[in-house]
Amino acid sequence: QQQVKQSPQSLIVQKGGISIINCAYENTAFDYFPWYQQFPGKGPALLIAIRPDVSEKKEGRFTISFNKSAKQFSLHIMDSQPGDSATYFCAASKGNFNKFYFGSGTKLNVKP
Amino acid sequence: NAGVTQTPKFQVLKTGQSMTLQCAQDMNHEYMSWYRQDPGMGLRLIHYSVGAGITDQGEVPNGYNVSRSTTEDFPLRLLSAAPSQTSVYFCASSYSNWGLGANVLTFGAGSRLTVL
Repeated sequence: QQQVKQSPQSLIVQKGGISIINCAYENTAFDYFPWYQQFPGKGPALLIAIRPDVSEKKEGRFTISFNKSAKQFSLHIMDSQPGDSATYFCAASKGNFNKFYFGSGTKLNVKP
Repeated sequence: NAGVTQTPKFQVLKTGQSMTLQCAQDMNHEYMSWYRQDPGMGLRLIHYSVGAGITDQGEVPNGYNVSRSTTEDFPLRLLSAAPSQTSVYFCASSYSNWGLGANVLTFGAGSRLTVL
C-alpha cells in the first residue's frame, strides 16, 4: 500500500503554462513534505519542501500548496520552461528520521 | 566534493548470483539509505543507517543486506539475485537541516541492475 499517492502519471504543458502535480497522504504523523526533481540518467534532487504549519511555500517559479485537513499537497510550476521537463516525485516523512515515502512520480514534458 | 558516488553504473546478473552495490559519500553525513526505483512505483526504501554500526530495514528489505562500518561507505548486498530485483538502485546520504526540522536527501546517480 503506497503511503503517498501522486497524480497525474504524466503531464504535457506548453511553454509558459502552469504545471500542477498533486499528492495525497493518509498518515497524519507525516510532518515534512519535499518535492524532488529527476532528470534522465540522474538521481533525484531536492526542489522545494514544506512543513504542515504553513499552507504555501514559494521559491521562484515553484510553489507548494498544502491542505492539512484534506491531507493533500501540490506542486505548481509557473511559466513552465522546456528545461523543467523532468520527473517529479513528492515525498513525506515523519519526525527527523531518514525514512521517506515517495509518490509514484510524474513525468513532465514542457513543449516549446 | 564528489557527493554520493555509486558503483557500478550498470550490472547484469544471472538468477542466484550475488553482488554488492557500492556507495560512498564525502560529505560527512550521518544518515545513508538505499532506494530502488521501479516504473509506476516511485522510490522505495530498502535499508537505511543513522550512523556507523547502526542499520535498519525500510519498506522492501527482503533479499538485501547492508552494513555500515564507516561513516563514508554503505554497501548494498544482493544475496541471491532474482528477476524481481531488476531495478535502478539509488544510494542517498542526508543531513539534518535544523531550519527545516528534517533530513535532506542527496542522491547518487544510480546503479541499473538487470537480473536474467
